[in-house]
Amino acid sequence: EDKVVQSPLSLVVHEGDTVTLNCSYEVTNFRSLLWYKQEKKAPTFLFMLTSSGIEKKSGRLSSILDKKELSSILNITATQTGDSAIYLCAVEATNAGKSTFGDGTTLTVKP
Amino acid sequence: GAGVSQSPRYKVTKRGQDVALRCDPISGHVSLYWYRQALGQGPEFLTYFNYEAQQDKSGLPNDRFSAERPEGSISTLTIQRTEQRDSAMYRCASSAKHPGLAGPDTQYFGPGTRLTVL
Repeated sequence: EDKVVQSPLSLVVHEGDTVTLNCSYEVTNFRSLLWYKQEKKAPTFLFMLTSSGIEKKSGRLSSILDKKELSSILNITATQTGDSAIYLCAVEATNAGKSTFGDGTTLTVKP
Repeated sequence: GAGVSQSPRYKVTKRGQDVALRCDPISGHVSLYWYRQALGQGPEFLTYFNYEAQQDKSGLPNDRFSAERPEGSISTLTIQRTEQRDSAMYRCASSAKHPGLAGPDTQYFGPGTRLTVL
């Protein structure tokens, strides 16, 4: 059975700090790993990673995949209060259709 | 439409009643997914469709749960004889690409329906 584990479960930082969120997975026939940010509404897409070692970047957020270690990290630099959210990691298997999600990391950024 | 929409946004029902949750995917999207999300947990896969065909229903908890997408667009998730343990956020997502094709795709989520069974 496919499995995704995220750590830490929750994190409290102050504005300006840098955070690293972790995601490890076990999946048969890996296709992609996705990061989502979930605030009060629906999860919104952040990154899709398919190749190992290639960093994807969007503003202060960046993510990288390590297929050897079966893991990914999501970095957020110079955090702001608006970064407070649950960050979800999901993996997709080839031809499986469905995504398997982790339980998320709840990030709280204090002013 | 501009995004995935779901209705109703909130549903409170009494135990034993049937409920129908609706998902309207992004226009033209091939695949449609249903997830259930309990508080403090990630979305849990229920079922998905390519066009009107239900491809995988392995995540449906039991036979009280069913889903359909008769014309390959709007989908309905039906829960019969609801129980308190069915209370959760039910999320729908759609994606443009057929999962059988090479290359990954992105799922876009709707706002969810918060179901409360009393």
